[in-house]
Amino acid sequence: KQEVTQIPAALSVPEGENLVLNCSFTDSAIYNLQWFRQDPGKGLTSLLLIQSSQREQTSGRLNASLDKSSGRSTLYIAASQPGDSATYLCAVHGSGNTGKLIFGQGTTLQVKP
Amino acid sequence: DADVTQTPRNRITKTGKRIMLECSQTKGHDRMYWYRQDPGLGLRLIYYSFDVKDINKGEISDGYSVSRQAQAKFSLSLESAIPNQTALYFCATSDLGTAKPSGRQFFGPGTRLTVL
Repeated sequence: KQEVTQIPAALSVPEGENLVLNCSFTDSAIYNLQWFRQDPGKGLTSLLLIQSSQREQTSGRLNASLDKSSGRSTLYIAASQPGDSATYLCAVHGSGNTGKLIFGQGTTLQVKP
Repeated sequence: DADVTQTPRNRITKTGKRIMLECSQTKGHDRMYWYRQDPGLGLRLIYYSFDVKDINKGEISDGYSVSRQAQAKFSLSLESAIPNQTALYFCATSDLGTAKPSGRQFFGPGTRLTVL
């Protein structure tokens, strides 16, 4: 059974720092991996999607990497800003194309001005 | 207008009541999903549907039922609500099965349900 773990559960950094959020998964047979952002009381916004054949994806100050063999993904946020404060969720889509996602518990990020 | 909408956005009900949460989408996707989120946990899949006639149980389907009334509408029902069904519920669609699938999922804003 696929399990997804995110470390750390919470992170507080001063504005301007570069930071890394970690996601690990137990079954390397995946279809894709997605990173989402969730603001308090709000829905999920898709940030980056990495297909199983890809190693990384970039969008603005965000870069996500994928290492299937080790069961790891990282989300790198450059030059963090207070507006980046949110919960970041990693979700793995297992093999096949059902669309079923297995989510990690999330990392809650606070960027202090 | 939002691509995936959910109604109601908030609901407080009592134990034993029947509750229906509704989801509508304008993305034209066949695949739709219902998840629940509990504090400190990630999202867990309740039910999913590949089309109007294809509905499947997810990880935590006990106590829930669904109805796919049309391609655009997917409803989640709690036949007899209990307090441990208090959670944030999300509906989502996926572009898998379309002509150019990315595998990306698109989420609604969520329904906050409280069962007293």
